[in-house]
Order: sequence, then C-alpha cells, then structure tokens
Amino acid sequence: EAGVVQSPRYKIIEKKQPVAFWCNPISGHNTLYWYLQNLGQGPELLIRYENEEAVDDSQLPKDRFSAERLKGVDSTLKIQPAELGDSAVYLCASSLVASGSIGELFFGEGSRLTVL
Amino acid sequence: KQEVTQIPAALSVPEGENLVLNCSFTDSAIYNLQWFRQDPGKGLTSLLLIQSSQREQTSGRLNASLDKSSGRSTLYIAASQPGDSATYLCAGPYNAGNNRKLIWGLGTSLAVNP
Repeated sequence: EAGVVQSPRYKIIEKKQPVAFWCNPISGHNTLYWYLQNLGQGPELLIRYENEEAVDDSQLPKDRFSAERLKGVDSTLKIQPAELGDSAVYLCASSLVASGSIGELFFGEGSRLTVL
Repeated sequence: KQEVTQIPAALSVPEGENLVLNCSFTDSAIYNLQWFRQDPGKGLTSLLLIQSSQREQTSGRLNASLDKSSGRSTLYIAASQPGDSATYLCAGPYNAGNNRKLIWGLGTSLAVNP
C-alpha cells in the first residue's frame, strides 16, 4: 500500500515568490492535515480537512497561505508571497477517523522550503 | 492549556542497552497517544498508537504504555541498535474549543553508539 506522497521534496525560492506543495494521502483516508515543522520543534497544525471540508484552519495565516482539497483526495498548499520566515518543512498527514476524532496519523516525507 | 514534556531531550547510549523515553501532559484528559520516529530530513513514522481503552501497545522491541490518571506515557526500547538513532516524538489529542487538536512534545533525540 502506498503511503502519503508529497512533492516537491525540496524547494528553494526567493522571497515574495509563490510556492505550492502537493499531497496525495493514503487511499481511503478521509482526513488530511498540513503541518509546518521548524528545526528542533514539533509539528504545528496549519489546516485539517475532513473530506473536502476544512474543519480547522484557525492556525493558517490566511493573508498569504491557502489550501484546497477539491475532491476530498489530494490537496495543495500554497504560499503567496513567501517570506524568509516561511522556511521550514511542510508535512502532510492523513488518517481514517470518525468526524471530530483524531486517529493514527501517517505522514509523508515532507517538503523542505528554503526562502532566500 | 495542554502542554507536553518529553524527557530526556537527548540521550546517547551504547548499543544493546534497554532505554526509556518519557512523555507527560499537563492535562491528563487525553484519550489516546501516539509515538512517532523522525529521522533527519525525513517525515514522521508512526510507531505505536495507544487507544483510550488500552494501557499499552507492543511492536517488536518497542513497548509503549499510557497512564491516563497521571497523563504520562513511556516508550521502552529493548536491546537498542544503532538503527534506532532518531528523534522520538509523542502526540496526544485534546479539546481546543470546538476542535480536537493534537499536541506535540519537542522530542527526544536518541543516539545509539556501536
């Protein structure tokens, strides 16, 4: 069974440029998460989807970050424009849970963003 | 506010030792707990999930226990190997307003020396 797939693995851009990350969750998983992880820190939730619905986007910086999961399967996270402080690893995770619950999470390899 | 502490922050042991990693929550009202492993530059790999109805889970040389009354979990690694070198993180859900969120520890960085 394929795991969570993320792309690109690495991205280097100049500040003020846009960037997009893609995630394909494990087949059948209804819940998808985007996390941000800085070096030496635990993951920080950006947004959580249950199927197509963003059920928790309270920590997504909406002035520059956006996300979508149009068909309830794969998802895209976009940053426009990127700032120096956005340099981090962007992790996608998926799980199969009842609404409102949190079950076992499975993570992708992450997308490492460097903003120059 | 729920907070998670992982002790120790770093650990270096010779190969073959049995070791214990600790994870504690300020609010013991957690209903499950998950342990992850993270290798440098990689994503997180799920190791063990302890459900609310369980007290421990085992997978190979790993055993994780959960004491909900005290809000503590322990990850026991038996006969450690150099390949076990990684950062180990624990995470548990808690209620934050209308949402249930995962809260994470900062991890224990483990080095197993041959």
